[in-house]
Amino acid sequence: EAGVAQSPRYKIIEKRQSVAFWCNPISGHATLYWYQQILGQGPKLLIQFQNNGVVDDSQLPKDRFSAERLKGVDSTLKIQPAKLEDSAVYLCASSGGRQGANEKLFFGSGTQLSVL
Amino acid sequence: GENVEQHPSTLSVQEGDSAVIKCTYSDSASNYFPWYKQELGKRPQLIIDIRSNVGEKKDQRIAVTLNKTAKHFSLHITETQPEDSAVYFCAASWGGGADGLTFGKGTHLIIQP
Repeated sequence: EAGVAQSPRYKIIEKRQSVAFWCNPISGHATLYWYQQILGQGPKLLIQFQNNGVVDDSQLPKDRFSAERLKGVDSTLKIQPAKLEDSAVYLCASSGGRQGANEKLFFGSGTQLSVL
Repeated sequence: GENVEQHPSTLSVQEGDSAVIKCTYSDSASNYFPWYKQELGKRPQLIIDIRSNVGEKKDQRIAVTLNKTAKHFSLHITETQPEDSAVYFCAASWGGGADGLTFGKGTHLIIQP
């Protein structure tokens, strides 16, 4: 079974530039998550989609971050403009999404962003 | 919201010895506790999980224990091997599964030959 796919693998930009990350979840997984993992810390949830609707974006810095999952499959996370503190690994994850079921979280390999 | 504390931040053990990583959580409503292993430059991978209706779960050399009263849970690795070297993250959620997971800051486990 194919896993969660992400691209690009690495990205280096200067502050105030914009950047976009792409994610394709495991086939059939209804729920998609974007996490931010700063060096030396655990992943922090930015946004969660159930199909093409947003379930939780309470920790997304909405003044600069945006995300969409228009057709309920793949998703794009954008940062505009980027700040130095946005340097992190951006992990996409997916799950089957059935509420209350024994659903496990599967991560992609992540995009490592460096903001200079 | 939920807060998950993880200790120690770094753990060095001799190959063949046991390793124990401990986590505490703040939200008594949390009912699902997974552990993830992340090797350098790779994705976090689920290694074991436990639900609040179970006190202990074991899978070969890995076990997890849960104390709901004290709100803490632990990962136990026996007969450690070099391939166990990685960063381990605990997490907790109220949703019974992948939703609402809050992660600890991680433990860097080093297996000394």
